[in-house]
Amino acid sequence: SQQGEEDPQALSIQEGENATMNCSYKTSINNLQWYRQNSGRGLVHLILIRSNEREKHSGRLRVTLDTSKKSSSLLITASRAADTASYFCATPGAAGNKLTFGGGTRVLVKP
Amino acid sequence: NAGVMQNPRHLVRRRGQEARLRCSPMKGHSHVYWYRQLPEEGLKFMVYLQKENIIDESGMPKERFSAEFPKEGPSILRIQQVVRGDSAAYFCASSPPGRGSTDTQYFGPGTRLTVL
Repeated sequence: SQQGEEDPQALSIQEGENATMNCSYKTSINNLQWYRQNSGRGLVHLILIRSNEREKHSGRLRVTLDTSKKSSSLLITASRAADTASYFCATPGAAGNKLTFGGGTRVLVKP
Repeated sequence: NAGVMQNPRHLVRRRGQEARLRCSPMKGHSHVYWYRQLPEEGLKFMVYLQKENIIDESGMPKERFSAEFPKEGPSILRIQQVVRGDSAAYFCASSPPGRGSTDTQYFGPGTRLTVL
């Protein structure tokens, strides 16, 4: 398994529902980041949570981090069709100079 | 304040040709990173550069691939003698001087390379 694996791989929900996806990692981290990628586009940074934080909010996004379990979750509340995208977690390397990405969760929000 | 710029957005090459991908970081950013994304997969780190220096190329294939970030001008990812397996999306990211990727990296729109 690689650092930063997302679960589930794909998620299909109705508009208005919440979407939850999880990320597990293997090594100690300073922070964990979540990115969104719309089909055929680049990555957009969503939120960064530091290792001394347990929960962080940004608009309709809520991220949790459990360093004891080496896992993080991303919750999108009241989803919209525009939230349809792939979501990736990423962790910086030991030297802090590169990001290791998981395989992503593909979210489809049906109108 | 323009974001990270990459060109071309799409590049088609025949096997054996060379591919040159360009990346201009955000204004004021001195760290550049290149990542490769195969279809339906996450991004894989290739190389990390600062001006005129390669800091970490641990993710770069040993042959045919090279990268530079000159004092003036964009960062260049160069792939010589391309093969079909090089077909992928190549993303560049940048971050401000200081702590490297400890903080947020800002991504460009990517270059989609197709090798025929």
